[in-house]
Amino acid sequence: DAKTTQPNSMESNEEEPVHLPCNHSTISGTDYIHWYRQLPSQGPEYVIHGLTSNVNNRMASLAIAEDRKSSTLILHRATLRDAAVYYCILRGNNDMRFGAGTRLTVKP
Amino acid sequence: DVKVTQSSRYLVKRTGEKVFLECVQDMDHENMFWYRQDPGLGLRLIYFSYDVKMKEKGDIPEGYSVSREKKERFSLILESASTNQTSMYLCASSLVQGLAGDEQYFGPGTRLTVT
Repeated sequence: DAKTTQPNSMESNEEEPVHLPCNHSTISGTDYIHWYRQLPSQGPEYVIHGLTSNVNNRMASLAIAEDRKSSTLILHRATLRDAAVYYCILRGNNDMRFGAGTRLTVKP
Repeated sequence: DVKVTQSSRYLVKRTGEKVFLECVQDMDHENMFWYRQDPGLGLRLIYFSYDVKMKEKGDIPEGYSVSREKKERFSLILESASTNQTSMYLCASSLVQGLAGDEQYFGPGTRLTVT
């Protein structure tokens, strides 16, 4: 299975942009890149996904490298409610494999 | 909004007991999943199902079985609970089989303690 590599933790200041990196050098041509986040004491929630092109939605933006071997989740203005563990996942069929994720701390 | 509900938020069982964890989704999703989450290990896939009466093993199926008799309900069964099955169990569903761009919706989780 294709794997992802993320930093264990990152810090950000409130109201500033956050760039969360993910490496996936063994990605296959049909794998989608998904991002989920998990707030304390909750199940994971979907953030965004993409295949080749950059994607934007109301929560975040996803920038995908041209060779697709890495991607970056961008939170444009971090809030305290964005403090969570962020998971970058490659998805080729029905199942998803989660890694350890990046724990984002947002400082006021 | 899609809702995925799990039968209990917290559960305490004794070693050797048979344990049923129930998950229900209300959006007619085809796919349903069971994960366990442990500190330092992230989420690991136990079983998933893409249709009624169908099941597929995930990464760690040993010690577990599943049942999907109705489309909206997916049960995880611990035939004989052991202490190493103490964990947070998360259920998820997604709309369509074989759609890698499909998002998963998660329930709130059941924290199971086996003593």
